Amino acid sequence: QKEVEQDPGPLSVPEGAIVSLNCTYSNSAFQYFMWYRQYSRKGPELLMYTYSSGNKEDGRFTAQVDKSSKYISLFIRDSQPSDSATYLCAGVTSGTYKYIFGTGTRLKVLA
Amino acid sequence: DVKVTQSSRYLVKRTGEKVFLECVQDMDHENMFWYRQDPGLGLRLIYFSYDVKMKEKGDIPEGYSVSREKKERFSLILESASTNQTSMYLCASRTGTETQYFGPGTRLLVL
Repeated sequence: QKEVEQDPGPLSVPEGAIVSLNCTYSNSAFQYFMWYRQYSRKGPELLMYTYSSGNKEDGRFTAQVDKSSKYISLFIRDSQPSDSATYLCAGVTSGTYKYIFGTGTRLKVLA
Repeated sequence: DVKVTQSSRYLVKRTGEKVFLECVQDMDHENMFWYRQDPGLGLRLIYFSYDVKMKEKGDIPEGYSVSREKKERFSLILESASTNQTSMYLCASRTGTETQYFGPGTRLLVL
């Protein structure tokens, strides 16, 4: 079993929809969680960073961590065609250097 | 803004050639990473450096070596390139707050 799992998609939604992207993880020691957005043929860019459980909001983006069910989510409100990209989640244990990434979910927002 | 740059966006090399991939960060980060990214496999850590001249093997170090002579620069070396090293190579650096920032990536094709 991979430590972090994501559905590869693609997930296609109409412009303006609310998007829910999800990851499950198996490592109980993860304390930090990140979401990265990666456009085609580019490097990943950090979108959201959360510590432990709870929600974090930044503009149209909300990251949610549920440690009891080992589930992390990224919600995108009012999705735009420019949000079309691959979204990677990652978990990291505090005090270590090792990020464990999911394989990414490809999102397509249709105009 | 954190800036991580990589020396080449695209490289084409022949089997058996020695290949150098260079990464430079401008934020005085102590930690630097090299990953490769392949479809369906996600991001896999090749090497990590936690300080100048210090390095640790990641999950897939075979066939690679690294050099970190200066804090801002981290080089990945393919001693004798092989076709199975065709991939997207991503460099990243990290702050003390656990967030990791990526460069734009180098697409390497080994013929």
